[in-house]
Amino acid sequence: GDSVTQMEGPVTLSEEAFLTINCTYTATGYPSLFWYVQYPGEGLQLLLKATKADDKGSNKGFEATYRKETTSFHLEKGSVQVSDSAVYFCALTYSSASKIIFGSGTRLSIRP
Amino acid sequence: DGGITQSPKYLFRKEGQNVTLSCEQNLNHDAMYWYRQDPGQGLRLIYYSQIVNDFQKGDIAEGYSVSREKKESFPLTVTSAQKNPTAFYLCASSVVQGDQPQHFGDGTRLSIL
Repeated sequence: GDSVTQMEGPVTLSEEAFLTINCTYTATGYPSLFWYVQYPGEGLQLLLKATKADDKGSNKGFEATYRKETTSFHLEKGSVQVSDSAVYFCALTYSSASKIIFGSGTRLSIRP
Repeated sequence: DGGITQSPKYLFRKEGQNVTLSCEQNLNHDAMYWYRQDPGQGLRLIYYSQIVNDFQKGDIAEGYSVSREKKESFPLTVTSAQKNPTAFYLCASSVVQGDQPQHFGDGTRLSIL
């Protein structure tokens, strides 16, 4: 069945470092892909999305490109801030689906 | 502003007791969802509903029940049959078309006394 695999955390970086959080997926069709962010004690917020191959989603300095050939949707940011410390979830769904499939989440901690 | 409101933020349950978690949305979304999140874990789907008066079991429905009498409301009852209820519970909603993102509430943390 369909699934999403994220790199295990925690990921700890210094402020202004470059960030990559890997996400790969297994899908039987052509899904839409999402990144959500969860700050401590809160619910998830949509960070960015891409709906077809080669689309690039971007928001708040974060980017991710839908790569069909490598079935990947890696999250990147050029210069992280302490305020980016959170848990990041990769997810997929289909236009015909009633559910979203989430990855297990990657905790990111940024040191000042 | 539109959004999803979960209450209470913290809830305590005694052994053998049923408790109900509230979820209300004013986004005019047809679909609503309940997830369970354990420490350091991802989200697991408990129940979901795509229309009033209809709902489906998710991956871990045992020990839980829901109702969907109004479009805006999707309460979750954690019954005494749920032997390990301590977790963070998240409610979400979306338009029915599947490739749209879900909007989440801020969660309810349930603990056992």
